[in-house]
Formats: sequence, C-alpha cells, structure tokens
Amino acid sequence: DIQMTQSPSPLSASVRDRVTIICRASQNISRYLNWYQQKPGKAPNVLIYAASTLQSGVPSRFSGSGSGTDFTLTISSLQPEDFATYYCQQSYITPFTFGPGTQVGIK
Amino acid sequence: QVQLVQSGAEVKKPGASVKVSCKASGYTFTSYDINWVRQATGQGLEWMGRMNPNSGNTDYAQKFQGRVTMTRNTSIRTAYMELSSLRSDDTAVYYCARLDIGDCSSTRCLNWFDPWGQGTLVTVSS
Repeated sequence: DIQMTQSPSPLSASVRDRVTIICRASQNISRYLNWYQQKPGKAPNVLIYAASTLQSGVPSRFSGSGSGTDFTLTISSLQPEDFATYYCQQSYITPFTFGPGTQVGIK
Repeated sequence: QVQLVQSGAEVKKPGASVKVSCKASGYTFTSYDINWVRQATGQGLEWMGRMNPNSGNTDYAQKFQGRVTMTRNTSIRTAYMELSSLRSDDTAVYYCARLDIGDCSSTRCLNWFDPWGQGTLVTVSS
C-alpha cells in the first residue's frame, strides 16, 4: 500500500498568514493527489484534485502543487473559516490512502 | 444538485452486522463508483472499498476482506455497505462518497471523492 505522510501536524497560524502543508507519498504517484478540508462534525470536502486543479467553488486562496512524491497545499491568506483539518489522498492505485491530516488551529 | 444521503445512526452489539445505505440524486447513479470511507472519533480517514453501481463489481481494502459487502439497488439509486462481525474498534462515522472522474491515460483516470454523504455513526457496544 502507498503510505502518505503530512507535515506539520498540528499547525498554528493567524488570520492572513500564508500557510503551507506538505504531503509525501511512499512511491511515485505522478499527479494523482487530492486535498480535502474537514470541519468538526462534517464530511470532508475536496479542495484540490489532480495535485493542482482547484475544485469549482473553492476560493482562489487555495492552491496545490507537486508531482511524483512531494506535494504542497498553500493557503495564501488564511481566513477564519479555514481553521479545519486538511487531508491529502492518493488516487493512483487502490487501496486509496489518506495522509494522517493536518489540523490548522488559531495561534 | 449532486447529493448523497445516508441512513441514520446505528447501535450494535459486538458480533452483529450493520448495513448503511447511501441514496444518490442529481446524477446518473450507474456512471460513478461509490466508495466507503470511515473515521473513528478523533482519527483520520480510512478507505474501505468501492463499488461500480453499473456492474456491481467491488474492490475491497484487504483489511475488510471477508467482513464487508457493498451492494446496490439501481432502481432506487441506493448503495449499501454491510459490515459483519462487528468489534468495538469498528465504532466510527461511515461515509459514502462518489468517485468523480477526470482525464484518463491508457492505464488510469484522475479521480477524487466528491460529493460525500453526511456520514452515519455506527456505535458498537455491549
């Protein structure tokens, strides 16, 4: 199975900060990498798919990059509604696997 | 709009089975795989498997092989996930999610989970 790791975890930041979350895969997954946001008590929502494609309706302050084994999710200016947990997920091969999550909290 | 609505919370005893439903609307049910993902309280996301609603073909995570069964009823646009021989560590929120599809190469397609159902809490307790 492909193992996914994330850093940092957790992450403390302030409103308007630039935030970067790193995700690493245990083997080359090309650009088969998705990012989800989850708020407490809610289902996850996709933010970025195919490593860098912004899902329709997601604010442009979110961006993704990377290919192969190393990926990043960047929030250019953190907003109050962005405090949540973020998961990366590989869709290269089943079993689909998720990173452990990065909780973004208020500094 | 595209939507998945799951059945309500369940409480089961160890050794029992649970069957969770996931009703789809707003799209052609047979055109997209339905996946099941679970999340224990305070923990991360764990993929359980997927089902093709058109063919009924399934692909289960090895961890759940022999205990999980994914089925569907196309006439009512509903997918089901049944987990048997329940243990206390099966206590979790269970989500269904549609596997959306993007560009395809000769060997695989870009895909991602969207949308998700609202989740079903399954509690296993004696």
